[in-house]
Amino acid sequence: DIQMTQSPSTLSASVGDRVTITCRASQTISDWLAWYQQKPGKVPKLLISKASALETGVPSRFSGSGSETEFTLTISCLQPDDFAIYYCQQYSSYSYTFGQGTKLEIK
Amino acid sequence: VQLVESGGALVQPGGSLRLSCAASGFTFSDYWMSWVRQAPGKGLEWVANSKPDGSEQYYVDSVKGRFTISRDNANNSLYLQMKYLGAEDTALYYCVRLDRWLPSGWGHGALVTVSS
Repeated sequence: DIQMTQSPSTLSASVGDRVTITCRASQTISDWLAWYQQKPGKVPKLLISKASALETGVPSRFSGSGSETEFTLTISCLQPDDFAIYYCQQYSSYSYTFGQGTKLEIK
Repeated sequence: VQLVESGGALVQPGGSLRLSCAASGFTFSDYWMSWVRQAPGKGLEWVANSKPDGSEQYYVDSVKGRFTISRDNANNSLYLQMKYLGAEDTALYYCVRLDRWLPSGWGHGALVTVSS
């Protein structure tokens, strides 16, 4: 299986901050990378597909970049609703894998 | 899109269990389907994928040889047969529809607890 490693595991930030989460793949996955947001008791919400394509309805303060093995999710100007857990996920192979998650918490 | 899981239970280590997912609101046989799990307080883990016609299945390494994903397109149902269960399999198991390779619908989950 392709391993996905996210960093940091926890990120403390304030409303209005700009934050970046990194995701690294154990082998090249081109741009077959998605980002999700999950809040307690809810199913994950797809934010970004193909490394940088924002899903319909997702605020433009979310952006994704990267290719091959290194990817980033950036949230500019954090809003109170953004504090959640974020996961990257590769879908380059038919056996998908998630990163371990990054908890974005209020400082 | 409606996905309703059933079959979650408390099972002893080494035991077996079959989860079911009843799909409605879309043409089930057109879509790849998946099982994704989440252990209590832990992250997401993709378990298995099924091709629309059921001819191919893909698994995470940790369940290969123990879990089998299958489907009945005539009855709009997805299954996950689980054998040799261990504590590490304790999780909420979600049935997921894929569209363009990514989730476009999630069930509410079925809780599997492996404990003596």
